[in-house]
Amino acid sequence: AQTVTQSQPEMSVQEAETVTLSCTYDTSESDYYLFWYKQPPSRQMILVIRQEAYKQQNATENRFSVNFQKAAKSFSLKISDSQLGDAAMYFCAYSRIIQGAQKLVFGQGTRLTINP
Amino acid sequence: DVKVTQSSRYLVKRTGEKVFLECVQDMDHENMFWYRQDPGLGLRLIYFSYDVKMKEKGDIPEGYSVSREKKERFSLILESASTNQTSMYLCASSLFGPLIDQPQHFGDGTRLSIL
Repeated sequence: AQTVTQSQPEMSVQEAETVTLSCTYDTSESDYYLFWYKQPPSRQMILVIRQEAYKQQNATENRFSVNFQKAAKSFSLKISDSQLGDAAMYFCAYSRIIQGAQKLVFGQGTRLTINP
Repeated sequence: DVKVTQSSRYLVKRTGEKVFLECVQDMDHENMFWYRQDPGLGLRLIYFSYDVKMKEKGDIPEGYSVSREKKERFSLILESASTNQTSMYLCASSLFGPLIDQPQHFGDGTRLSIL
């Protein structure tokens, strides 16, 4: 069974600094997607970024980028120029297909605090 | 924008009660999901549905059932609520298809307390 591990329950960073959240996963499949979701205090989960396993190039979305190391099964999220609005729980997730539906397996989450 | 609406933001029920959590999406998505979120455990899939009247067990289905009579609505049922079902419940929906990059869209969650 696939598992996703986020080893940092909490992280903090100074506003405008850069922070990296780590994620590792375990799978025997070769084709899959990886996601980072953000859950602010308002509770709605928001997709931050996604990575296709067969693509070598790391995904980027504005201030958010990933470091995808397929052989090491590592998928870290880098947030540059941290802003107060980045404060949230961040979840790493692995995706596979069951009955045509994308099934997500989530990590435990990392609570990110931004210090002004 | 996709809108996934959960009927209650907070809910308090008593042990042994039958509890219904309702979820409605407005984007004609085929797939709908129910997750449970607990501190230190992340989100765990309870059930999902890929079509009307179709359902599949997730990773933690025990003590729960679901109903999908209409495409836009997916209900989670706690047949006899117990205190260990106190949790945050999240509903999500997504498009059907072979592309596994279809992102799931989430509701705001229902924080359920069983007394």
